[in-house]
Amino acid sequence: GQQLNQSPQSMFIQEGEDVSMNCTSSSIFNTWLWYKQDPGEGPVLLIALYKAGELTSNGRLTAQFGITRKDSFLNISASIPSDVGIYFCAERHPAGKLIFGTGTRLQVFP
Amino acid sequence: DVKVTQSSRYLVKRTGEKVFLECVQDMDHENMFWYRQDPGLGLRLIYFSYDVKMKEKGDIPEGYSVSREKKERFSLILESASTNQTSMYLCASSQGGLAGPSSTDTQYFGPGTRLTVL
Repeated sequence: GQQLNQSPQSMFIQEGEDVSMNCTSSSIFNTWLWYKQDPGEGPVLLIALYKAGELTSNGRLTAQFGITRKDSFLNISASIPSDVGIYFCAERHPAGKLIFGTGTRLQVFP
Repeated sequence: DVKVTQSSRYLVKRTGEKVFLECVQDMDHENMFWYRQDPGLGLRLIYFSYDVKMKEKGDIPEGYSVSREKKERFSLILESASTNQTSMYLCASSQGGLAGPSSTDTQYFGPGTRLTVL
């Protein structure tokens, strides 16, 4: 089946640092999604990207849909403790299913 | 706000038991989904449904079945639980429509049920 490779697998950073993570696909899709899962909760949608080259921000978060349509990047600027969690990229299959990446676990130290 | 609730946050069962995981959404969504989440593997789709009494297999349906008798409720059933089904189970719903799952639908997730099979 389709695979989404997400990296890095985990990150340990200090408060105030910037964070960057990415996701690559073996296939071309039309939608990239970024979700965050807080500890003990279900994932929540952060950003949705719909066209190649699109750059979208949501507060301190910025995500980009790669030109090749096979990758996407999520950046978090000036991290804070509540940024802790697992970040997932996802692609939306035409039938409505989501295909998720393996996740990036973020830890932020004060 | 969309609310997706799952019947239990934590569940411990024995090998061979029949297990029911319940999910309820209160936004009149057409589509509902069951995923399992395992470290290093992300979320994998087990089954989904885009209408009452309709079900579609996801990527890992083996060992599971589902039931959708009412629009707001989607149940995941483990007929005979096994230790390799120990996992976090997440339910989600999305608005959908008459044409089935829409490509612009946002999925809303419940808090998850952590199932341990001994």
